[in-house]
Amino acid sequence: GNSVTQMEGPVTLSEEAFLTINCTYTATGYPSLFWYVQYPGEGLQLLLKATKADDKGSNKGFEATYRKETTSFHLEKGSVQVSDSAVYFCALPPSGGSYIPTFGRGTSLIVHP
Amino acid sequence: SAVISQKPSRDICQRGTSLTIQCQVDSQVTMMFWYRQQPGQSLTLIATANQGSEATYESGFVIDKFPISRPNLTFSTLTVSNMSPEDSSIYLCSVSQGAGDGYTFGSGTRLTVV
Repeated sequence: GNSVTQMEGPVTLSEEAFLTINCTYTATGYPSLFWYVQYPGEGLQLLLKATKADDKGSNKGFEATYRKETTSFHLEKGSVQVSDSAVYFCALPPSGGSYIPTFGRGTSLIVHP
Repeated sequence: SAVISQKPSRDICQRGTSLTIQCQVDSQVTMMFWYRQQPGQSLTLIATANQGSEATYESGFVIDKFPISRPNLTFSTLTVSNMSPEDSSIYLCSVSQGAGDGYTFGSGTRLTVV
């Protein structure tokens, strides 16, 4: 079945620093790939997605490129803000006969002023 | 994309009591998913709720503890029964936006059992 491996957090950065949160996956075929964000006290929101190899998803200054060679979908942002402090989840859609998506463990990001 | 209204947003409950969480979706959806998120943890799927049939529970979750109702295609409830402090978590409902389009989540219910 599908699986997602995310780097362990928390990731602690100063404002305007560069962010990378690593995500690698195991899947059959070439599924769409997703990043979700969970701000404090809220549910998850879809941040960005990529539907095929070499696609780059982007939103709110965040980017992630679908790398089928390395089965990775790392999340990056060039200059983080305090308001980016949240938990970030990498995810795969359901596969095979399942209707259940696969979420990574989540990586907490803390940005200090 | 669908919008989900989830209530209550938070509650503090006495052990041994029950709490019912509601999710209302602004469009008709076939499946609704209920998750638990323990402090600092990822999402754990509790069950999948289909309209007109019993919910399908994941390993470790049982209907007596987490009864689910799905009376129509826009609404579902999850009850946490006979609560203990170990049930303190965030509970989330979710629906699919369609193949390749990801999922929409409710804002979550933060439950504290004392």
